[in-house]
Amino acid sequence: KQEVTQIPAALSVPEGENLVLNCSFTDSAIYNLQWFRQDPGKGLTSLLLIQSSQREQTSGRLNASLDKSSGRSTLYIAASQPGDSATYLCAVPQGFKAAGNKLTFGGGTRVLVKP
Amino acid sequence: DAGVIQSPRHEVTEMGQEVTLRCKPISGHNSLFWYRQTMMRGLELLIYFNNNVPIDDSGMPEDRFSAKMPNASFSTLKIQPSEPRDSAVYFCASSALLTDTQYFGPGTRLTVL
Repeated sequence: KQEVTQIPAALSVPEGENLVLNCSFTDSAIYNLQWFRQDPGKGLTSLLLIQSSQREQTSGRLNASLDKSSGRSTLYIAASQPGDSATYLCAVPQGFKAAGNKLTFGGGTRVLVKP
Repeated sequence: DAGVIQSPRHEVTEMGQEVTLRCKPISGHNSLFWYRQTMMRGLELLIYFNNNVPIDDSGMPEDRFSAKMPNASFSTLKIQPSEPRDSAVYFCASSALLTDTQYFGPGTRLTVL
């Protein structure tokens, strides 16, 4: 059974510092990995999706890398801002794509960026 | 598009009562997912539908939980009878068939007293 772990569970940094968020998964037979953001009291917003054939994906200040063989993904947020404060979750599909996009989520990392 | 719509946003009920949560997916999306989020267990998939057909309900915790999707624009998650341990935030998400990105609704915060 796939298990997804995110360490640390919480992170506090001063504004301007780069953020590094980690995600590890036990079964490397995944076809993609997604990073989501969740604001308090809100639903999840998809940030980046990396296909298994890619090593990284970038969107603005966000960069996500994927190393399937080691079962790891890292989300980098450059020059953090107070508006980046949120919980960040990674998720991987269960099984093969033909089986449907059932996601297993990590526990999330709660980020606080202090002004 | 208004995004995924869920109602109610908050529900407080007493143990033993029936609870119905509602979801309207994004127009044109063929896949719909129901999730539950708690502090202890994180975010868990309960059930998902493709083209209104339930594909996998292995995450549904007990027979007290049931979900329906009578048409492409509406789904319900029902708990009968509700128990305090059902207290959680329930999310609905939708995606276009054969695509990977899921779009989440704002959630329904359920409190069972």
